[in-house]
Amino acid sequence: QSVLTQPPSASGTPGQRVTISCSGSSSNIGSNTVNWYQQLPGTAPKLLIYSNNQRPSGVPDRFSGSKSGTSASLAISGLQSEDEADYYCAAWDDSLNGPGVVFGGGTKLTVL
Amino acid sequence: QVQLVQSGAEVKKPGASVKVSCKVSGYTLTELSMHWVRQAPGKGLEWMGGFDPEDGETIYAQKFQGRVTMTEDTSTDTAYMELSSLRSEDTAVYYCANTFENAFDIWGQGTMVTVSS
Repeated sequence: QSVLTQPPSASGTPGQRVTISCSGSSSNIGSNTVNWYQQLPGTAPKLLIYSNNQRPSGVPDRFSGSKSGTSASLAISGLQSEDEADYYCAAWDDSLNGPGVVFGGGTKLTVL
Repeated sequence: QVQLVQSGAEVKKPGASVKVSCKVSGYTLTELSMHWVRQAPGKGLEWMGGFDPEDGETIYAQKFQGRVTMTEDTSTDTAYMELSSLRSEDTAVYYCANTFENAFDIWGQGTMVTVSS
């Protein structure tokens, strides 16, 4: 059971816009920034969005992030076949057990 | 450009320890804040711990406290993660990753650790 909640799967057709949600609590998303990672099969994760809505250099502007309260979303517009991957949200958590990073369980995106 | 190159795959017996290395190139280790994340086969990402530059200490996820040790050798720009008392549930790919703006911006290629009798 992951601390952050994501839908296990999402899908869309080429050119479509898809959103992936990430739900947390006041100790993580509610008080810290959210990051998103893309993991292609058999490869290491890649940073896609940091600080809620910032794109690292080289990430296409088709990818965008937003946050509101204790939830966040990743949007992918103009869906392409190469976007088929697993997507993870993450945030720092200021829990009583000490600070740490928590991840969502991941969303498998299928491009139909 | 920062690159993180990890050591090769390991097979260990239950109860043993494993030490995974992460060699930095393009920067020095002192310029980075290294963390470790693992991923069991077919499962999601799990944070294990890492260096907190604000207080200069290494912090560990409560789940691994007492079993994991993260160290750094600045003379060789290599970070290490040692996990002891291995059990089958520790079978996973272990990644080192640098932090930037509280996110993991650069990742190693991963090291597969298999725990099997």
